[in-house]
Amino acid sequence: DIQMTQSPSSLSASVGDRVSITCRASHTVSNYVNWYQQKPGKAPKLLIYVESNLQSGVPSRFSGSGSGTLYTLTITDLRPEDFATYYCQQTYNSPYSFGQGTKLEIK
Amino acid sequence: QITLKESGPTLLRPTQTLTLTCTFSGFSLTTSGLGVGWIRQPPGKALEWLGLIYWDDDKRYSPSLKSRLTITKDTSRNQVVLTMTNVDPEDTATYYCAHGAGGANWFEPWGQGTLVTVSA
Repeated sequence: DIQMTQSPSSLSASVGDRVSITCRASHTVSNYVNWYQQKPGKAPKLLIYVESNLQSGVPSRFSGSGSGTLYTLTITDLRPEDFATYYCQQTYNSPYSFGQGTKLEIK
Repeated sequence: QITLKESGPTLLRPTQTLTLTCTFSGFSLTTSGLGVGWIRQPPGKALEWLGLIYWDDDKRYSPSLKSRLTITKDTSRNQVVLTMTNVDPEDTATYYCAHGAGGANWFEPWGQGTLVTVSA
């Protein structure tokens, strides 16, 4: 199984900041990495699919990058509605594992 | 517009069998490249991928749960069913189904989720 190690587990930032969240896979996942946003009591929402493709309707301040085993979600110009928990997922090999999540909090 | 909704019991006793139904609209699971995945989230914890059924009836399961899980589909009723045998309090979680696109390589949208509690 492929393990996805996400860091940091929590992050404090201010409105207008730029933040990055990283996922390291235990084996290469050939860019098959997705990023989701989850708000309390809600289902996750897809932000980025297959490393860097922006899901329809998602603001362009969200971007994804990476290769091999290391992938990054970057959010620029943080808005109040961006404070949530973020998860990466690999879909290169079943089981399609998730990272442990990063909780983004307002500083 | 694609929508999914999970339904099933909210409370189970240990050793019982959990059966959850995902009823969807806006797509057909006979369409090549699509799938429906199941994911769960224990209270306050991370997402855990359970399994997936593809349009061609191929299936994938989490190895740690494979012996207890079965996923089936009824394309005429636009439903996918997850069955989990011999539940334990550690199976207490919100269970989600999600639409898998791009060969089921990404998942969006998700159902609202249903909280299942396992307790004696």
